[in-house]
Amino acid sequence: DAKTTQPPSMDCAEGRAANLPCNHSTISGNEYVYWYRQIHSQGPQYIIHGLKNNETNEMASLIITEDRKSSTLILPHATLRDTAVYYCIVRGTGGFKTIFGAGTRLFVKA
Amino acid sequence: DTEVTQTPKHLVMGMTNKKSLKCEQHMGHRAMYWYKQKAKKPPELMFVYSYEKLSINESVPSRFSPECPNSSLLNLHLHALQPEDSALYLCASSQDLNRNQETQYFGPGTRLLVL
Repeated sequence: DAKTTQPPSMDCAEGRAANLPCNHSTISGNEYVYWYRQIHSQGPQYIIHGLKNNETNEMASLIITEDRKSSTLILPHATLRDTAVYYCIVRGTGGFKTIFGAGTRLFVKA
Repeated sequence: DTEVTQTPKHLVMGMTNKKSLKCEQHMGHRAMYWYKQKAKKPPELMFVYSYEKLSINESVPSRFSPECPNSSLLNLHLHALQPEDSALYLCASSQDLNRNQETQYFGPGTRLLVL
C-alpha cells in the first residue's frame, strides 16, 4: 500500500470549513483513499473513501486530484466535536492491512 | 447498524494474571481485526481473522492469543503481560477481506493497564 503524508496539526474556527490535505504520490491505479478520524480515547470512525472521483456524504467531502497524488478532506462547517486526529489511508486490492500513519490533529476553536 | 462492541472498557491486570478481551459485531461481517494503540500513536495491526480463521499475525508475542469462536465474536486472551503492553486495544470488523475496497468499523476499545 502507498504511503501517505499529512500535516501533524491544523486549526480551524468553528463554523468554517476544515480542509485537511493528504499526499499519496506513490498511489497505484487500484488503490482507494480512505479517511478515518479518532476522537480522543475512542475507536477510529470511518468518514469517507474514494478512488478517483470526488465523493460526498453526510459527514464530509473528498476531493482527489486528477493525477490522484493528493486529496483533501473537507468538513464543510466544522464544530467543536470535530476536534480529532484525522487519518488518510491508501488501500488496494486485498489491502486488508489498514496501515495508519501519524494523521493530522485538527483543533476546532470557538 | 455499524456497531462493534468491546468489553470491558477498562482493565487493570498484574503480570501474572490471565484475562480476556471480548469483541462482538452483528453486521454479518466475516473479517475481524485486533489493533493495539499506544498513547499519542496510531493504531497498529495485530491480528486479522477471515471466516473465523487466522489470516494475519503481525509477529505478535505469544502472550497475546486471539480466538474467533464464531463469525460474530472475537476474543483476545492475555497471559503474563508486561507493563509495556499497556495500551488501548481496538477491535474492528469489515464485510470481507477479498474485496477491492473494504471499510473497517471499529469498536470503542479496551484500555488496558498492566501493573
